[in-house]
Amino acid sequence: DQQVKQNSPSLSVQEGRISILNCDYTNSMFDYFLWYKKYPAEGPTFLISISSIKDKNEDGRFTVFLNKSAKHLSLHIVPSQPGDSAVYFCAATYDGGTGKLIFGQGTTLQVKP
Amino acid sequence: EPEVTQTPSHQVTQMGQEVILRCVPISNHLYFYWYRQILGQKVEFLVSFYNNEISEKSEIFDDQFSVERPDGSNFTLKIRSTKLEDSAMYFCASSEDSNTDTQYFGPGTRLTVL
Repeated sequence: DQQVKQNSPSLSVQEGRISILNCDYTNSMFDYFLWYKKYPAEGPTFLISISSIKDKNEDGRFTVFLNKSAKHLSLHIVPSQPGDSAVYFCAATYDGGTGKLIFGQGTTLQVKP
Repeated sequence: EPEVTQTPSHQVTQMGQEVILRCVPISNHLYFYWYRQILGQKVEFLVSFYNNEISEKSEIFDDQFSVERPDGSNFTLKIRSTKLEDSAMYFCASSEDSNTDTQYFGPGTRLTVL
């Protein structure tokens, strides 16, 4: 039951360019979305979130876009840096629930110097 | 900056043995969670805990699993009789005062069942 999907297992970009990571969801009840970054042997680290009442949220180099009609969100990283190389997980939950996060499979981002 | 801590970082056990994984959530947080990630797979929800009781548990969280908040700081996950397929990274997370507040994750415990 893949309610949250990240269809690209990996992405490689040059330092300084834009990284775009994509995520699709199927459950219309989801109304809060998060992006986490994960390095090997570490726990997921929160990056940025967006509520369904917005279509964009920005924090420094990170911007998340939400297209509710398409049930799609994306994370933009500009400019990309080698330290951004990690696995990025999209997660979703809904207000009124218990806080359970449903994760996508993750996308491994490699930023080349 | 406050962080979630977990012990041990790595636990090796024999099949059928009991294990207890420990977590210290961020001190003013009220919602607590356990997730796991089997190697090469996605992070999966196990259980959420609020006000000293389980609010939701997944199908994975069967009778062999239990959670407890024995004091004001620790949050534990017990697996009564481990199976080979319980081998995974187990992550504890906590959030402040709402079920849509950001969840902060610990570094994880790698459980290896032999």
